[in-house]
Amino acid sequence: GQQLNQSPQSMFIQEGEDVSMNCTSSSIFNTWLWYKQDPGEGPVLLIALYKAGELTSNGRLTAQFGITRKDSFLNISASIPSDVGIYFCAGLLLTQGGSEKLVFGKGTKLTVNP
Amino acid sequence: SAVISQKPSRDICQRGTSLTIQCQVDSQVTMMFWYRQQPGQSLTLIATANQGSEATYESGFVIDKFPISRPNLTFSTLTVSNMSPEDSSIYLCSVAGTPHRPYEQYFGPGTRLTVT
Repeated sequence: GQQLNQSPQSMFIQEGEDVSMNCTSSSIFNTWLWYKQDPGEGPVLLIALYKAGELTSNGRLTAQFGITRKDSFLNISASIPSDVGIYFCAGLLLTQGGSEKLVFGKGTKLTVNP
Repeated sequence: SAVISQKPSRDICQRGTSLTIQCQVDSQVTMMFWYRQQPGQSLTLIATANQGSEATYESGFVIDKFPISRPNLTFSTLTVSNMSPEDSSIYLCSVAGTPHRPYEQYFGPGTRLTVT
């Protein structure tokens, strides 16, 4: 089945530093989504990417849909303590039956030291 | 984005019993899904809840264990049947197919289930 390789698994950074994480796959995806999950809550959608090569920003977050459609990265600039959490990438597959299915990476746990 | 609520938010259940989790969304959506997230792990899709027909289950999940209903475009339930401690997990409802964001999936807050 489809798998997403997300790295790094965890990161420990100082407040103010920039962060970069990425996902790669052997499969082609139609859409890439990036989520953040805080403890005890459901994942919150941060950025959605729809076209190969697309670069999209949301405040201090920037994400890109790889040109091969098999990878994506997420950058966080000037990190702050509330950026702490687990970040998941997800690739969207459109199935033959007309449905859709998200495949998730294993997550990147981010710790920001003030 | 859609606003999604789940009930209960958490529960502690005895093995052998069943629990039904409800998911309510504030607008009509095309698709609803149920996921499981075990402690410290990523999300695993259990099934797609189809309105008016049987849910579509992923490999490793069966209807007898996880019966799902979806009577309309804003509501779904997931039942965890004949529970065992291995069913202790977070169960998440998600939706997709909102009018302006058809391919984006949004998640509910989750139901934290502990089976003793």
